Amino acid sequence: QSALTQPASVSGSPGQSITISCTGTGTDVGGYNYVSWYQQHPGKAPFLMIYDVSNRPSGVSNRFSGSKSGNTASLTISGLQAEDEADYYCNSYTSSNTLVFGGGTKLTVL
Amino acid sequence: EVQLVQSGAEVKKPGESLRISCKGSGYSFISYWISWVRQMPGKGLEWMGRIDPSDSYTNYSPSFQGHVTISADKSTTTAYLQWSSLRASDTAMYYCARMGPTGVWFGPWGQGTLVTVSS
Repeated sequence: QSALTQPASVSGSPGQSITISCTGTGTDVGGYNYVSWYQQHPGKAPFLMIYDVSNRPSGVSNRFSGSKSGNTASLTISGLQAEDEADYYCNSYTSSNTLVFGGGTKLTVL
Repeated sequence: EVQLVQSGAEVKKPGESLRISCKGSGYSFISYWISWVRQMPGKGLEWMGRIDPSDSYTNYSPSFQGHVTISADKSTTTAYLQWSSLRASDTAMYYCARMGPTGVWFGPWGQGTLVTVSS
């Protein structure tokens, strides 16, 4: 199964908003509302930021939001802060009863 | 507090066997699936497979099926990832993660176990 497609890198200045896309197919992203997003700082374990497309776990800042349209899911970070600089990964459930990650996006805060 | 604590780093030779562990605490171990995720050096996350600790039903990514075995011991609330014959390409960080109630998202995660396979 192929990894979901994410941009390799995105960047933004403090205070700005950025969006990271995650493109799959009708058998994964487009077929289910089971997209999740993870933040990973260097040398650290990943951390859940969004689940089921747009739900935020308790404790996650409301600056993080998720959405989906067709086969593409998106993570938006508003009011960018230096601490947001990290790698971000999307994940989706698939019709094969498996899970698949995106290739990851490196966010740089300028 | 829900916690997953993984076993320490390992250095092995090609062809050797290995089992790494992930101990869950602070929750009902049999009520949530556990997944294993690989991260090769400098690369992204790859889902390997998951286990339902209540009955040890497993579900693997086609990319890992047949090369690794995932198991769990309810009595010790520990999940395992094992190899019977390691390859140099198995060198990676391995994370375990508790799945959400629907079994489709990951959280919280263990701290990771670094496996190095080198002759």
